[in-house]
Amino acid sequence: QSVLTQPPSVSEAPRQRVTISCSGSSSNIGNNAVNWYQQLPGKAPKLLIYYDDLLPSGVSDRFSGSKSGTSASLAISGLQSEDEADYYCAAWDDSLNGKVFGGGTKLTVL
Amino acid sequence: QLQLQESGPGLVKPSETLSLTCTVSGGSISSSSYYWGWIRQPPGKGLEWIGSIYYSGSTYYNPSLKSRVTISVDTSKNQFSLKLSSVTAADTAVYYCARHQASTVNDAFDIWGQGTMVTVSS
Repeated sequence: QSVLTQPPSVSEAPRQRVTISCSGSSSNIGNNAVNWYQQLPGKAPKLLIYYDDLLPSGVSDRFSGSKSGTSASLAISGLQSEDEADYYCAAWDDSLNGKVFGGGTKLTVL
Repeated sequence: QLQLQESGPGLVKPSETLSLTCTVSGGSISSSSYYWGWIRQPPGKGLEWIGSIYYSGSTYYNPSLKSRVTISVDTSKNQFSLKLSSVTAADTAVYYCARHQASTVNDAFDIWGQGTMVTVSS
């Protein structure tokens, strides 16, 4: 079981908006930054969001991140077929003294 | 631009030691701004951080793997390496090397290698 909890899958139609949740605790999300990664099929993960809500250079502004308390969310607007991928949240955990990942969410664009 | 490339055996026998190397090109591993890490992903499963190293040799490891992991750096070759001892089938995974900034523990992995599949089997 992952320390950070994500829904196994989400789906939405093209051009719509979808959110992916990441639930943690006071020792991780509640006290540390959340980072999000996109993993296209057969590829290495790619940084999507860092420090809760910042976009790396080159990442589309259709992606956005937010955090409240011990939960974080990734939102994708204007869904496109190329957004089909696995999405992972990650954070530092003060109790485990290490970096932890969520179990991942598979996004299907209908 | 900076690139990372993993290399090493694709097949390791149970109870033996898994050894991988990550070669950094297009930049220096000796930058004071970054840590260099290893992450793995078992087939069909999620990501697991293994550990990270600074160019000075300072390391920190996933507590669940710490007893079996050694990460080292060779600045002359612009490489860092992973050794995982006493492997079992549960260590079968794609192993990625990646870079993260050295500012805080919150820093994200911003550049990743393509990954290398390692199978543990006799």
